[in-house]
Amino acid sequence: NAGVTQTPKFRVLKTGQSMTLLCAQDMNHEYMYWYRQDPGMGLRLIHYSVGEGTTAKGEVPDGYNVSRLKKQNFLLGLESAAPSQTSVYFCASRRGAYETQYFGPGTRLLVL
Amino acid sequence: GIQVEQSPPDLILQEGANSTLRCNFSDSVNNLQWFHQNPWGQLINLFYIPSGTKQNGRLSATTVATERYSLLYISSSQTTDSGVYFCAVARDNFNKFYFGSGTKLNVKP
Repeated sequence: NAGVTQTPKFRVLKTGQSMTLLCAQDMNHEYMYWYRQDPGMGLRLIHYSVGEGTTAKGEVPDGYNVSRLKKQNFLLGLESAAPSQTSVYFCASRRGAYETQYFGPGTRLLVL
Repeated sequence: GIQVEQSPPDLILQEGANSTLRCNFSDSVNNLQWFHQNPWGQLINLFYIPSGTKQNGRLSATTVATERYSLLYISSSQTTDSGVYFCAVARDNFNKFYFGSGTKLNVKP
């Protein structure tokens, strides 16, 4: 039982490049989340999903897109990376509305 | 969104000391969680506590939802308790979580 995994762990992009971050969970959780964490700050919600095929915007969705084609996977896409998207990205999942979140190890992204 | 304020922002303790961390939030919530981010960046669940009191070993938490605050107590602190403690809250739809800026704890041997 691996829990929540994230791929890649670290990535460097040039401004304007695109990439996809993968989050996978093996706990059969319905809800999945993408957050970003900037230095000295708490996490901010980018997008979330309450089930396979559903997505919704969080607090800071601009510049990101997501997809949840399979229940176990939640993809975060950056179509045209900007230096302001330099951050640590965390994925989380939980079983239901009254359950706690479980976090992945994070992806460190540097946009030059 | 919901404003979440955590205090103190920084805390230095000697090993064995006790501490209380506070989380204030600006609106009614249905979901409140406490997390510990260790020095390697990993986020670890501590408590799911929308109301009431819970205890887990040396840690306990109390949420008074009607007064919009939650407290995290750490007793007999250890160096492994170092890191940043976050409070996260969500309201009606249970999914838009708002995090505080955290309390950075440094426990010295």
